[in-house]
Amino acid sequence: KNEVEQSPQNLTAQEGEFITINCSYSVGISALHWLQQHPGGGIVSLFMLSSGKKKHGRLIATINIQEKHSSLHITASHPRDSAVYICAVRRIQGAQKLVFGQGTRLTINP
Amino acid sequence: ETGVTQSPTHLIKTRGQQVTLRCSSQSGHNTVSWYQQALGQGPQFIFQYYREEENGRGNFPPRFSGLQFPNYSSELNVNALELDDSALYLCASSSDGGGVETQYFGPGTRLLVL
Repeated sequence: KNEVEQSPQNLTAQEGEFITINCSYSVGISALHWLQQHPGGGIVSLFMLSSGKKKHGRLIATINIQEKHSSLHITASHPRDSAVYICAVRRIQGAQKLVFGQGTRLTINP
Repeated sequence: ETGVTQSPTHLIKTRGQQVTLRCSSQSGHNTVSWYQQALGQGPQFIFQYYREEENGRGNFPPRFSGLQFPNYSSELNVNALELDDSALYLCASSSDGGGVETQYFGPGTRLLVL
């Protein structure tokens, strides 16, 4: 079983819909990252969380440390939000590396 | 723009050859991590360099090696290329020696081994 699991793996929605992507992890962590990867490969860091909730524009990220779960929400989704969204955690043990989920491919249709 | 650049953007090699990939970090970032991302998979940690010393290594064989230079640039070297080495190679820099700071990713180098 992967240490970081994301759901769903693929998500297609209509423009304007509210989007939720989930991430569960099984190890103790010091931080969790949400990343966005567009076709062509470049990765952009969206959020880094160690507790609570963060908001940036239409994006909201939450984390529940006790339940080992995080969610990324997109409000008023737009076709330009189409990308792969990746959850990655920094373990307390072996903190040098990020452990990545497999990603969620999001497609927003106009 | 993350301020992290990688070169080349694309590369084709044949099995058995050697390759060097380059990464230029943001100024002041003393930590660089390298990741391999196979098609349809999440990135896998190769190794991390902190202040020019290896600071952690993932489950990759010794033919994957690296260097970090004082000018915030680094290299990933892969010897004796195998077909399964075909992937996107990403570098990420930060300023914290592997702590909780944000990682800044480069655009990646896409390597194809024939």
